[in-house]
Amino acid sequence: GAVVSQHPSWVICKSGTSVKIECRSLDFQATTMFWYRQFPKQSLMLMATSNEGSKATYEQGVEKDKFLINHASLTLSTLTVTSAHPEDSSFYICSASPRKNTEAFFGQGTRLTVV
Amino acid sequence: ILNVEQSPQSLHVQEGDSTNFTCSFPSSNFYALHWYRWETAKSPEALFVMTLNGDEKKKGRISATLNTKEGYSYLYIKGSQPEDSATYLCAPSGSARQLTFGSGTQLTVLP
Repeated sequence: GAVVSQHPSWVICKSGTSVKIECRSLDFQATTMFWYRQFPKQSLMLMATSNEGSKATYEQGVEKDKFLINHASLTLSTLTVTSAHPEDSSFYICSASPRKNTEAFFGQGTRLTVV
Repeated sequence: ILNVEQSPQSLHVQEGDSTNFTCSFPSSNFYALHWYRWETAKSPEALFVMTLNGDEKKKGRISATLNTKEGYSYLYIKGSQPEDSATYLCAPSGSARQLTFGSGTQLTVLP
């Protein structure tokens, strides 16, 4: 199957710093990628839709200035958590689909801990 | 926002037992229904993508059915094995391909 690579798999950062997470589609082009977040004991919640060459679409309640998304190429989307705080500690995961109506392939996820 | 419900939340079965889970979702604006298998420390693995009412798909011992009119899907595992232990997620998708996940069913198969 298609491969989506996400880095880093875990990161610990100090409160107030920014963290960048990368999501790459390794063997297909993805005009659209998706970023999800998982709170403890909850399911994956869609944060935003990353669109190549244009602005991301954020879900209700997700601060766009807090979670900066850049999709500069057809194989790379980045999520930057700016001025991170302990409440931003969570599991973040990206996905992409090679074609419409096919399965989505997920990255490995990133466990962010803000201390 | 779609309201996706999965039941049961968790399930323990003995090796060799067959089992099934349910995913219910709003039937309006339906585009596709995805099932994923998610093992700890791994990426969610796609099992099935179904779009048509009445669709049935099978992959080895795992199969799924879809009823778009009433808004539900069943996932069946025949002869469960310990390696089937994982969280099974369902997610309907809209035309823009974004997925709305249910909370998952955590399956534990006891040897």
